[in-house]
Amino acid sequence: DIQMTQSPSSLSASVGDRVTITCRASQDISNYLAWYQQKPGKVPKLLIYAASTLQSGVPSRFSGSGSGTDFTLTISSLQPEDVATYYCQKYNSAPRTFGQGTKVEIK
Amino acid sequence: QVQLQQWGAGLLKPSETLSLTCGVYGGSFSGYYWSWIRQPPGKGLEWIGEINHSGSTNYNPSLKSRVTMLLDTPKKQFSLKLSSVTAADTAVYYCARSVAATSALGYWGQGTLVTVSS
Repeated sequence: DIQMTQSPSSLSASVGDRVTITCRASQDISNYLAWYQQKPGKVPKLLIYAASTLQSGVPSRFSGSGSGTDFTLTISSLQPEDVATYYCQKYNSAPRTFGQGTKVEIK
Repeated sequence: QVQLQQWGAGLLKPSETLSLTCGVYGGSFSGYYWSWIRQPPGKGLEWIGEINHSGSTNYNPSLKSRVTMLLDTPKKQFSLKLSSVTAADTAVYYCARSVAATSALGYWGQGTLVTVSS
């Protein structure tokens, strides 16, 4: 099965900073990659699918890139409401594995 | 507006069978993947499996021997059964639906905490 590895596992940044989270697949998954945001105590929310397509209603400060095995989620200007854990998920085939998550905090 | 509402027993004893149902309100029932995901307390998301509108299933290999997913199209519901539960199955369980033309999960239920304890 394909493994999904996120880095870093956690990060602390200041409001307004540019934040980058990486997700690496153990095999080529083309662009079948989604990113989710989960705020503390809340249900996960889809941010990006097809590696770079922003889900409706998601702020434009979020962007995704990558293809094949290496993917990136970028928050262009970190806001207090972005405190959350972020997960990548591959969905090219089953099992549709999640990464282990990246916890984002405000410094 | 698509909404998923889930229900089921929240406290089980070891060896019992977990049973959850997810009702779909709004939107079509056809053409999507209907999924279950779980999250142990303080841990990450684990994909359990999915069923599509025709009843075809895919399961996580680590749980495959214990998982059954079913679809009730007239009632617009889908269900999860996980047999022989242990404390390791304690988690918040979510149902979810894919977004159009992908298997990314755009709609989620509210989550159900299932605790396995003797």
